[in-house]
Amino acid sequence: GDSVTQMEGPVTLSEEAFLTINCTYTATGYPSLFWYVQYPGEGLQLLLKATKADDKGSNKGFEATYRKETTSFHLEKGSVQVSDSAVYFCALRVVSNTGKLIFGQGTTLQVKP
Amino acid sequence: EAGVTQSPTHLIKTRGQQATLRCSPISGHTSVYWYQQALGLGLQFLLWYDEGEERNRGNFPPRFSGRQFPNYSSELNVNALELEDSALYLCASSDPKRDSNQPQHFGDGTRLSIL
Repeated sequence: GDSVTQMEGPVTLSEEAFLTINCTYTATGYPSLFWYVQYPGEGLQLLLKATKADDKGSNKGFEATYRKETTSFHLEKGSVQVSDSAVYFCALRVVSNTGKLIFGQGTTLQVKP
Repeated sequence: EAGVTQSPTHLIKTRGQQATLRCSPISGHTSVYWYQQALGLGLQFLLWYDEGEERNRGNFPPRFSGRQFPNYSSELNVNALELEDSALYLCASSDPKRDSNQPQHFGDGTRLSIL
């Protein structure tokens, strides 16, 4: 079945370091892909999305490119800040209209000053 | 524009009781989705409502149910509560008629604790 696999955390970085959080997926057809972020005590916020192969989603300095050949959607940021500390979820929406998002297990990012 | 709002923020119940969680979608959104975020189990899809109808449900027992009202707000009801129902319940909304690739926008959730 359809699934999303994220790199295990926690990921601990110093401020201004480069961030990569790996995400790979298994799905039939061409799913839409998303990154969501969850700050402590809050719900999920949409960070970025991509709906077809080679699309690049970007927002707040974060980027991810939909790579169909490697079934990946890795999240990157050139220079992280303490305020980026949160849990990041990669998700896909299947092609058939079931309404549901399938999430990875989440990756905790901690940025130290 | 107001986001997705959920109430209550926290809910404490005991085993066997019933819980009702509420969600108001973003104005203009007709679809509401419910997810469970339980410790160690990640985010699991529960239910999808659109235009007042249940469109899909996840792999949860029938004691998880809900409805959507004419104003598109929604309730999630959990009967015969069990300890493992303790979780954060997230509601999301979208406008599928505008664009089938519209993302889901989430509320801050209801923390349900079963004692």
